[in-house]
This record gives sequence, structure tokens and C-alpha cells, in this order.
Amino acid sequence: QSVLTQPPSVSAAPGQKVTISCSGSSSNIGNNYVSWYQQLPGTAPKLLIYENNKRPSGIPDRFSGSKSGTSATLGITGLQTGDEADYYCGTWDSSLSAGRVFGGGTKLTVL
Amino acid sequence: QVQLVQSGSELKNPGASVKVSCKASGYTFTSYAMNWVRQAPGHGLEWMGWINTNTGNPTYAQGFTGRFVFSLDTSVSTAYLQISSLKAEDTAVYYCAREVNYGSGRNWFDPWGQGTLVTVSS
Repeated sequence: QSVLTQPPSVSAAPGQKVTISCSGSSSNIGNNYVSWYQQLPGTAPKLLIYENNKRPSGIPDRFSGSKSGTSATLGITGLQTGDEADYYCGTWDSSLSAGRVFGGGTKLTVL
Repeated sequence: QVQLVQSGSELKNPGASVKVSCKASGYTFTSYAMNWVRQAPGHGLEWMGWINTNTGNPTYAQGFTGRFVFSLDTSVSTAYLQISSLKAEDTAVYYCAREVNYGSGRNWFDPWGQGTLVTVSS
């Protein structure tokens, strides 16, 4: 199983808001920055959020990120059918098996 | 624009080897580390390791030692992933991803290659 824990799935209606959680520990989220990636069906992952809450150029402000303690959250407002995708959190883990780690992924369904 | 373009899909017999390429453009290749990520069918992202594009020194994640080799050809801004003694469970999409790293835990992957599907089957 993944070092970072995400809910397997979330769903909401178009126009609504949804949040996706990412839970870790002091060796990863607690002491490092979190990034989020969106993977649309059949495509490669794309950077959505970096350094906990920053959006790359071209990412709409409907997407937001936050971090508190050993957990991080991705928020999406004004849901669109085009937001249906898998979302992954990622960070650095400084434990014995140090390296980059990802959450297990959350499938977002826009009903 | 910054871009990573990977080689095409591969179908290999068990026991064979495969070499996946990842060609970078739009930035100075040796200024950013290159990472490799595996995604088995229907599964999530699994970090395989990274290679220092300055020194060529690779670091492999647990579970990716022995049969997996990262290499570079800096003259053509290309990173490679070679997998030997292929097994059915190696069937997956393999992604390269440029790592932006400002230290102190400030690192992220951007962009990603389009992915290379490696299928191991007789």
C-alpha cells in the first residue's frame, strides 16, 4: 500500500465543490511540501499544485491546495465534467527508505 | 516549451530486455534530475527512482534494484530506462518526469513524458 493515504473515490455534481485528502506522517507531509497531480483518462499525470498551495501557470483558480500538520487537501470548486480524473498527492519521504512518494490516487466522478 | 517525449509501446517476451527513452527539449537537460515512475494497469503511481543528470549517478527505490538501470546520453538530452529479465508483472506504463527541486523538501515533477506501455507476454 501507499505511504500517503487518499480516499479511493469522491463524487459531486457539476458546479459543486469537492475536497480530496492526503494523509501522511512526520517523515513525509509533516516536514515537506506537497504537490498534486491530475491524470485524465488515458493520459500522463500533470502538475496541478506545488509547494502545498501554488498553481502552475495555466491551472485555473478553481483548484487549490492546503496543508496542515501531516495532512494535505486538494480542493476543486465549480466542478466540470472535464475534471473527471484521478488525482494523486506526492511529497518527499525522509525515512530509511527515503525518496519521493505518492498517494494511492483518488478517482473523481462528476455526476 | 519544456517537453519530454518518450519512445513507443513495446511488446516483449518474458526474459527479454527493453530500453525506454525519454528525450527532453526546451530546457537545459543537465539542470534538472530525471525521475522514473511506473503505473501498472489499473493501479496508482509508483516512484522507481531518479538519475542525476549532471553526474549520471542513479538512485533506485526499493523494489527497483537489480533489473532496472537508469542511464543518460547528455549529447542528445535523453534519459533511458532499461529493464532486463522481464516478467509479466513488469507490464505497465513507464513515465519519465523532470524534477524541479529547490531544496528543503520543495520538489515536484513537471512535466511528465507521455508514457511508454511495456507489455510482457509470450
